Amino acid sequence: DQQVKQNSPSLSVQEGRISILNCDYTNSMFDYFLWYKKYPAEGPTFLISISSIKDKNEDGRFTVFLNKSAKHLSLHIVPSQPGDSAVYFCAASRSFQGAQKLVFGQGTRLTINP
Amino acid sequence: NAGVTQTPKFRVLKTGQSMTLLCAQDMNHEYMYWYRQDPGMGLRLIHYSVGEGTTAKGEVPDGYNVSRLKKQNFLLGLESAAPSQTSVYFCASSYSYGYTFGSGTRLTVV
Repeated sequence: DQQVKQNSPSLSVQEGRISILNCDYTNSMFDYFLWYKKYPAEGPTFLISISSIKDKNEDGRFTVFLNKSAKHLSLHIVPSQPGDSAVYFCAASRSFQGAQKLVFGQGTRLTINP
Repeated sequence: NAGVTQTPKFRVLKTGQSMTLLCAQDMNHEYMYWYRQDPGMGLRLIHYSVGEGTTAKGEVPDGYNVSRLKKQNFLLGLESAAPSQTSVYFCASSYSYGYTFGSGTRLTVV
């Protein structure tokens, strides 16, 4: 039962254009959503997050949108840069015994072409 | 500024062998986690710990055991390795929503 899904395994975008990565979830109990970025041979690093009580969060070139009614979130990167080429994981969180258990999507490999 | 350190980085095991993966964090985080990453599957939670001396099962715990004897260390053990346990293993720690991940251990079971 895949509670968090990223249906696009890969995405290719021209440098300077907007990159839009999508994520869908099924569990309405999730209270926080996060995006992680991963380069080869490294661990994932935190990129941006959004609480379930908000619908948008912006940090520089990165904006995350949350549509609770559709159980859908998206990450917008604008303008896209070559250094943004990486695998992006969407994650959803539920509090459990004080810990924040993250459920990850399958990841989307983003390639920025010069 | 080490953060989360995983050892070893690479390992090849024969089927049936045992090994322990070590995770150490220097951020005084209460919560620690072990994930495995497989192609097309994302990261799946194996076990986690909400504090020293406590552990709990995650999504895919079978074939693994863990221990958290000290707050800064979280050990993942494979008692009898199987080819299905070939994967990249990531440890993470947190005090809240933001996880800090280690750089991973690539394990191959032949």
